[in-house]
Amino acid sequence: RKEVEQDPGPFNVPEGATVAFNCTYSNSASQSFFWYRQDCRKEPKLLMSVYSSGNEDGRFTAQLNRASQYISLLIRDSKLSDSATYLCVVRTGGFKTIFGAGTRLFVKA
Amino acid sequence: DVKVTQSSRYLVKRTGEKVFLECVQDMDHENMFWYRQDPGLGLRLIYFSYDVKMKEKGDIPEGYSVSREKKERFSLILESASTNQTSMYLCASIGQHESSGNTIYFGEGSWLTVV
Repeated sequence: RKEVEQDPGPFNVPEGATVAFNCTYSNSASQSFFWYRQDCRKEPKLLMSVYSSGNEDGRFTAQLNRASQYISLLIRDSKLSDSATYLCVVRTGGFKTIFGAGTRLFVKA
Repeated sequence: DVKVTQSSRYLVKRTGEKVFLECVQDMDHENMFWYRQDPGLGLRLIYFSYDVKMKEKGDIPEGYSVSREKKERFSLILESASTNQTSMYLCASIGQHESSGNTIYFGEGSWLTVV
């Protein structure tokens, strides 16, 4: 079983739609959680950290469920520019960092 | 602005060649990483270093070695390149202490093709 698992998609949604991604992790000792965005042939860039209480940044909402060991990312009012691959990232103690394989999102006009 | 620089963006090498991928960061970070990214497999850790001259194997170290002689520079070496090492290679760095934050900073990637 992979340490971090994501639905690879692709998710094809129209502009304005709401879309949600989930990510599960296997190590219950995981401490930090992040969502990264990666555009085609570019490096990953931090989208947002995920906090226990959940957090929101504009149209993006991240949630953490420690009991079920998953994190989620919700994108509201999707824009064409949201088309990208979204990587779930989990950090255990220290700086050991595990990346999910990514979920591809296509937003269409 | 923070910066992780990978000097070689696109390389084509022959099987058996020795390949050097260089990475430099200007954030005084202690920890540096080399990943490779392949379709459907995501980012896989090759090696990491938590200090000068220190290195640890990641998940897929076979066929690779690394060098960290200076804090800002972390090099990935393919001793004898093979076609299955054709991939995108990403260098990353992160600070050790909370004051440096938890953000991982990536270089722009090095696209290596081995023929």
